[in-house]
Amino acid sequence: AQKITQTQPGMFVQEKEAVTLDCTYDTSDQSYGLFWYKQPSSGEMIFLIYQGSYDEQNATEGRYSLNFQKARKSANLVISASQLGDSAMYFCSTSRAGGTSYGKLTFGQGTILTVHP
Amino acid sequence: GAGVSQSPRYKVAKRGQDVALRCDPISGHVSLFWYQQALGQGPEFLTYFQNEAQLDKSGLPSDRFFAERPEGSVSTLKIQRTQQEDSAVYLCASSLLWRGLAGPTDTQYFGPGTRLTVL
Repeated sequence: AQKITQTQPGMFVQEKEAVTLDCTYDTSDQSYGLFWYKQPSSGEMIFLIYQGSYDEQNATEGRYSLNFQKARKSANLVISASQLGDSAMYFCSTSRAGGTSYGKLTFGQGTILTVHP
Repeated sequence: GAGVSQSPRYKVAKRGQDVALRCDPISGHVSLFWYQQALGQGPEFLTYFQNEAQLDKSGLPSDRFFAERPEGSVSTLKIQRTQQEDSAVYLCASSLLWRGLAGPTDTQYFGPGTRLTVL
């Protein structure tokens, strides 16, 4: 079974500063995907960034980058130049390869990010 | 709109009532997922459809939960004889098609959720 651990229940950052949200995962699979989602107070889960287990380069999407350290089983999300609109709950999740897993996601407990002006 | 839509957004039910929650996936998305999210927790998988076939229902918590997607598009999650522990946000997500790779094309796009409160 897969498990995601997000050890930071809450994080605070000053506007325009960078922030790192931690995520570690536990899996015995060789091939898997890592996904980060943002959930504002409105409730919708917004996809941010994807990293494949075989990708040698860290994924980047605009202000989001993923610090992927496979040997340590960590997939931390880095948000650069924080904006007030980044205040939300952030979830790290993983899926496994293989026909019968169907891509279902296993999520962590989430980290609440608050951006101060 | 081009995203996943869900209705109703909010549902209040008395204990023992039946409820039906609707999901409209992104057009052309073959894969459809239902998740349950308790307050302050991450979502948990309930069930998966590929077109109209329900291929995985291992996350459904009891036989009071039933899901269908009869024409491979809109899906309905039904909860019979609701209990207080069913109170949660129910999220629907869709993706293009599961190819077994855990790759970027398997990215799931979520709807706004239905918040169910059972009194």
